[in-house]
Amino acid sequence: EAGVTQFPSHSVIEKGQTVTLRCDPISGHDNLYWYRRVMGKEIKFLLHFVKESKQDESGMPNNRFLAERTGGTYSTLKVQPAELEDSGVYFCASSQASGQGIVQYFGPGTRLTVL
Amino acid sequence: ILNVEQSPQSLHVQEGDSTNFTCSFPSSNFYALHWYRWETAKSPEALFVMTLNGDEKKKGRISATLNTKEGYSYLYIKGSQPEDSATYLCAAQSSGTYKYIFGTGTRLKV
Repeated sequence: EAGVTQFPSHSVIEKGQTVTLRCDPISGHDNLYWYRRVMGKEIKFLLHFVKESKQDESGMPNNRFLAERTGGTYSTLKVQPAELEDSGVYFCASSQASGQGIVQYFGPGTRLTVL
Repeated sequence: ILNVEQSPQSLHVQEGDSTNFTCSFPSSNFYALHWYRWETAKSPEALFVMTLNGDEKKKGRISATLNTKEGYSYLYIKGSQPEDSATYLCAAQSSGTYKYIFGTGTRLKV
C-alpha cells in the first residue's frame, strides 16, 4: 500500500512569489492534516480536513495560506505571497479515522526555502 | 496540552551503547502519546502509541514507557546501531482533540 506522498520534495522561491504544495493521502483515508516545522522548532499543526471539509484550520498562520481538498482526495496548500518566515518543512499526514490515540501517517514533507 | 518538551536535544552514542530520551508533557487532560522516528527527507515513521499510565511498548531493540501521572515518557534503544541514527519525535494528544502537539525532537547519532 502506498504511503502519503508529497510534491515537490523541495521548493526554492523568492519572497513575494507563490508556491503550491501537494499531498496525496493514503487511499481510503478521509482525514488529512497539514503540519509545518520551522527550523529548530517543533512540528506545528496547521489544519485538518475530513473528506473535502475543513474541520479545523486554527493553526493556519495567516490569510496568505490557502488549503483545499476538492473531491476529498488530494490536497493542496498554497502560499501567496511567500515571506521569509514561511521557510520550513511542510508535512502532510492522513488517517482513516480522527480522534484520540489514532495514528496519523506522515508524508516525507516538502522543504520550502523562501529567499 | 500546550507544551511538549524533549531532552536531550541531541545525543551522540557509540555503536552498541544503550540510550534513552525523555518526553515531558502536562499531565492534565492527557489522552495519548505517540513516538515517531524521522530520518531527514523521509516520512516520520510511527513507532508507538500509548494511552494508559504504566503502558510499555516494544519493537525490536526499541521500547517506550508512559507515566501519565507525572507527565513523561521514556524511549529506550538497546545496543544502538548506525541505522538508529535519526530524530525521535514525541507528540501528545489532549482529551477531546485529535491534534498532535509535538516536542522539538531528540537527534540521535550513532
